[in-house]
Amino acid sequence: DAGVIQSPRHEVTEMGQEVTLRCKPISGHNSLFWYRQTMMRGLELLIYFNNNVPIDDSGMPEDRFSAKMPNASFSTLKIQPSEPRDSAVYFCASSFPVGTSGGALYNEQFFGPGTRLTVL
Amino acid sequence: GENVEQHPSTLSVQEGDSAVIKCTYSDSASNYFPWYKQELGKRPQLIIDIRSNVGEKKDQRIAVTLNKTAKHFSLHITETQPEDSAVYFCAASKVSPIQVGGKLIFGQGTELSVKP
Repeated sequence: DAGVIQSPRHEVTEMGQEVTLRCKPISGHNSLFWYRQTMMRGLELLIYFNNNVPIDDSGMPEDRFSAKMPNASFSTLKIQPSEPRDSAVYFCASSFPVGTSGGALYNEQFFGPGTRLTVL
Repeated sequence: GENVEQHPSTLSVQEGDSAVIKCTYSDSASNYFPWYKQELGKRPQLIIDIRSNVGEKKDQRIAVTLNKTAKHFSLHITETQPEDSAVYFCAASKVSPIQVGGKLIFGQGTELSVKP
């Protein structure tokens, strides 16, 4: 199993440019999460999908950020226009139900290697 | 809103000593509490988790305890080794039969340094 795949691994761009980050979840996983990690703000959830449907996008910073999941094996996170404060490591994670206890389903999230974005 | 507080932010111990990291959560409906380890330049990886129906779980040198009344949970690492040096994140989540894939709310992280 290749795990969660993200591309590119590193991206350097100039302010104002469009940036597209890509993620391929583990096959069979039905939930996908986009996180942003910075020293100042730690690990923040931006948006997550269940069965390709966006469930919670309350963490998306502003309208410059958008995410899509056109099918079960691919998702994108787009920033347009990019700004220096968007510089961070962006992680994609996927999960599947691992079992039940008292009727609840629990999910282990598997993270991708991350994309290090630098906006100059 | 939902919040997870983690302490301390940095922790330095001698090899062989124990390390304890503590987290508190705000949402009393939270029922799943994983811990992730992130080595420098790498991705977070799950090391242990606990459900709300148990108070303690152990896996070799790692243990996690949960106090639902006080809404806090802790990670205990015994006989620490240099390879335990990393950033550790706690998280809390609400999972239900209705909504699969509940989001994780992460703590701020603890940078653990184990000195040989």
